[in-house]
Amino acid sequence: DAGITQSPRHKVTETGTPVTLRCHQTENHRYMYWYRQDPGHGLRLIHYSYGVKDTDKGEVSDGYSVSRSKTEDFLLTLESATSSQTSVYFCAIRPRGLDGELFFGEGSRLTVL
Amino acid sequence: GESVGLHLPTLSVQEGDNSIINCAYSNSASDYFIWYKQESGKGPQFIIDIRSNMDKRQGQRVTVLLNKTVKHLSLQIAATQPGDSAVYFCAENYNNNDMRFGAGTRLTVKP
Repeated sequence: DAGITQSPRHKVTETGTPVTLRCHQTENHRYMYWYRQDPGHGLRLIHYSYGVKDTDKGEVSDGYSVSRSKTEDFLLTLESATSSQTSVYFCAIRPRGLDGELFFGEGSRLTVL
Repeated sequence: GESVGLHLPTLSVQEGDNSIINCAYSNSASDYFIWYKQESGKGPQFIIDIRSNMDKRQGQRVTVLLNKTVKHLSLQIAATQPGDSAVYFCAENYNNNDMRFGAGTRLTVKP
């Protein structure tokens, strides 16, 4: 158990509505990540954080923003959801830093109608 | 486009046989590689990793081989069991904070 909790686990929303996904970790690790997983694309990095208030963009960051006001929480926000953002979103931590592996949460399935 | 892996091929093996799952990576400067297992409805689970200064690493029933000359990674699972049925992903440490994943291989183990 990597000590990661994602919420909500499932959400259905409509195009144009804002959505926030939360990732909570219990072990105060510095590095946190948001990935999306789509058929045929594997996992792709959206945003990551290397500390409180320190975040940066990943490969597919358009349409997403993040915030990290506390070490334990990393929020992913879709300001105005689109159908192309229907996906499974995974949060990950990297306990051993940039030298080590990622540990993933259980995922949040988002459907945008 | 994808920098790592193949477009979700499938591999079907008989219980007890050995499985070999292959992966191609794109960045010759990548120095760290990981294999993950993902069961339906769950997050990817770490299996084994290898650094670029090694060409082989063994775990419990699993072995990872790295061929830097052709940028190829493989995962060998010995005595495959039904519980090994899952999608397997390789990942490369593309650029420190950017761990890039392949599309995965679906392994099915027949009893």
